Amino acid sequence: DIVMTQSPDSLAVSLGERATINCKSSQSLLYSSNNKNYLTWYQQKPGQPPRLLIYWASTRGSGVPERFSGSGSGTDFTLTISSLQAEDVAVYYCQQYYSTPPVTFGPGTKVGIK
Amino acid sequence: QVHLVQSGAEVKEPGASVKVSCKASGYTFTDYYIHWVRQAPGQGLEWMGWINPNSGATNYAQKFQGRVTMTRDTSMSTAYMELNSMRSDDTAVYYCARVEAGSSGWYDYWGQGTLVTVSS
Repeated sequence: DIVMTQSPDSLAVSLGERATINCKSSQSLLYSSNNKNYLTWYQQKPGQPPRLLIYWASTRGSGVPERFSGSGSGTDFTLTISSLQAEDVAVYYCQQYYSTPPVTFGPGTKVGIK
Repeated sequence: QVHLVQSGAEVKEPGASVKVSCKASGYTFTDYYIHWVRQAPGQGLEWMGWINPNSGATNYAQKFQGRVTMTRDTSMSTAYMELNSMRSDDTAVYYCARVEAGSSGWYDYWGQGTLVTVSS
């Protein structure tokens, strides 16, 4: 199974500042035949289901604000919120779909306001 | 507009079974796999398995093999997840989610979640 880890566990950022979340996989998520990384990011607010933010490691989902961006390749990935807004307070999860089953998620990173 | 609407909260005693439903609308039900993911209180996301609504084929996480059954009713555009021999650590919110393409990928739509509490 591919193990996903995230860092930090939590972070607090001032409004308007940048937030950066890291995700690491135990195996490469880059599929050489199509040069795509099989990695996605979700945002989850309390009492709500997760919401798709990013797929293929860097493609924003429908309706996702431009301040959210994904980067990285292979085993190391980053989710960046360029200018944190109050509504971005949430837990963020990465998930791999390179080698399934099983689908595996990172443990989550909690983002708050400083 | 795509919607996945799940059945309501349940309270079960240890050893009992629960069956959660997930009714799809706004798209052709048989065109997209449905996965089930659960989340224990204050914890992360745990994948349980998937069902192909077209064929009925299933694939379960090893952890749940022998205890979980995923089915569907195409006439009702509804997927079901049944978990047997429940324990206190099965207390969680259970989500259904649609995979955007194929059997595996990203989840573009999620149900609202069903809280299942296992308690004597």
